[in-house]
Amino acid sequence: SQTIHQWPATLVQPVGSPLSLECTVEGTSNPNLYWYRQAAGRGLQLLFYSVGIGQISSEVPQNLSASRPQDRQFILSSKKLLLSDSGFYLCAWSDGLAGDTQYFGPGTRLTVL
Amino acid sequence: RKEVEQDPGPFNVPEGATVAFNCTYSNSASQSFFWYRQDCRKEPKLLMSVYSSGNEDGRFTAQLNRASQYISLLIRDSKLSDSATYLCVVYAGNNRKLIWGLGTSLAVNP
Repeated sequence: SQTIHQWPATLVQPVGSPLSLECTVEGTSNPNLYWYRQAAGRGLQLLFYSVGIGQISSEVPQNLSASRPQDRQFILSSKKLLLSDSGFYLCAWSDGLAGDTQYFGPGTRLTVL
Repeated sequence: RKEVEQDPGPFNVPEGATVAFNCTYSNSASQSFFWYRQDCRKEPKLLMSVYSSGNEDGRFTAQLNRASQYISLLIRDSKLSDSATYLCVVYAGNNRKLIWGLGTSLAVNP
C-alpha cells in the first residue's frame, strides 16, 4: 500500500531564516505531487505541483520554491521566511491521472516568529 | 462568485441526528467531485468520491446535481466521531488542480 511521509511535524522558525520541508511517498511510482498551505481558519491553497522529476509548476508567487530531485521526493524551501509563511503545510500525492484522488501526508505546522 | 462554496457552519447536532451539507460549484465543466474530512489540526482524508448516480457508504450518502451545480453529503445516525470539518472538492478538468471549498464544520453533541 502507499504511504506518504512528511517531516518535521512541527517547526518554529525566526523571520528571515531558511526553510526545508521534505515529503516522500512509498508504494507507487511516478506520482503527481503537491504542496499545499492551510493558514489558520483558511482553506487549502495549492502552492506547487509536480508531474515528474524536475518538473515543478508554481501556483502562487511568493518566497517559496519546490524541487523534486527524485521520483518520490518533494521538497519545499525558502531562503528567508516571512511572518506570513506561518501555516499548516501539506504534501499530497495522486496516481498521475489529472483530477484523481489526492492523499495527504500528516503535515508540518510552521510558526514563523 | 467563488469556484466552490460551502456553508461554513458550525452545524451542531445531537447524536443520532441526520445532517446534510450542500456545496455549490461555478464551473459547469467540472468532472470529478469529492468529499474530504478534516479533523482539527490533522490532514484532510478522503471520505468519498461523488458519482453522477449518487453513492452510499454506510451512513454517508453523496449526491451530485449537475443541472443545479451542487453536490451534497448526508450523514445519518450521527456519531460523536463524525465531528470534523467536511471539505467539498471539485476538479474542473482543464488542469491538474483540485478546487477546495473552505469546509463545513460539524459538531455532534452527546
